[in-house]
Amino acid sequence: DVPMTQSPSTLSASVGDRVTITCRASQSIGAWLAWYQQKPGKAPNLLIYAASTLQSGVPSRFSGSGYGTEFTLTISGLQPDDFATYYCHQYNTYATFGQGTKVEV
Amino acid sequence: QVQLQESGPGLVKPSQTLSLTCTVSGGSITSGGSFWSWIRQRPGKGLEWIGYISYRGSTFYNPSLKSRVTISADASTQDFSLNLSSVTAADTAVYYCARGGGINWFDYWGQGTLVTVSS
Repeated sequence: DVPMTQSPSTLSASVGDRVTITCRASQSIGAWLAWYQQKPGKAPNLLIYAASTLQSGVPSRFSGSGYGTEFTLTISGLQPDDFATYYCHQYNTYATFGQGTKVEV
Repeated sequence: QVQLQESGPGLVKPSQTLSLTCTVSGGSITSGGSFWSWIRQRPGKGLEWIGYISYRGSTFYNPSLKSRVTISADASTQDFSLNLSSVTAADTAVYYCARGGGINWFDYWGQGTLVTVSS
């Protein structure tokens, strides 16, 4: 089991803001990390995998970085469609998720 | 485009077995290197991976649920199934099937199905 700690749990932001979400692993997971966006009543949507690779079709304002135990998801220029909950997911040792970060107005 | 669709009862009684099926279209569950997972989300909570079945039919389960979980697949119908035994109210959740697992991210998801455990 590799617990993932995400912060903050809630983030208040405005359209146009640069937003950063952090995810920390309890042990090194290399670059085996993905990020998802989830909107109410919908399934999560893959944004980034391998810590920094943008999934096809995902806007370039989303970016990921990090290696080992500390990772970040950055949204450069928040858009109205980006208000949602974001989860990190490590897949180095089966699969565990962070507890989520809700980005709200 | 791979699509996944969950199906099964929305209400299960305590102590019974929760059974769901995920039907895959636009792809094959026996496609080399593919893994197929079940993930759940309790109301208002985060995501919990339940387990996966690989393209070869091997399975791996979340240790916290391992004693109650069975995942199987039927290549002829391109679906895979989840059985979760001895359910309690704590198993009430939206259950998702997804492509991914093992050393893979989850790139395609079903829409999810709410299962309520109640008498």
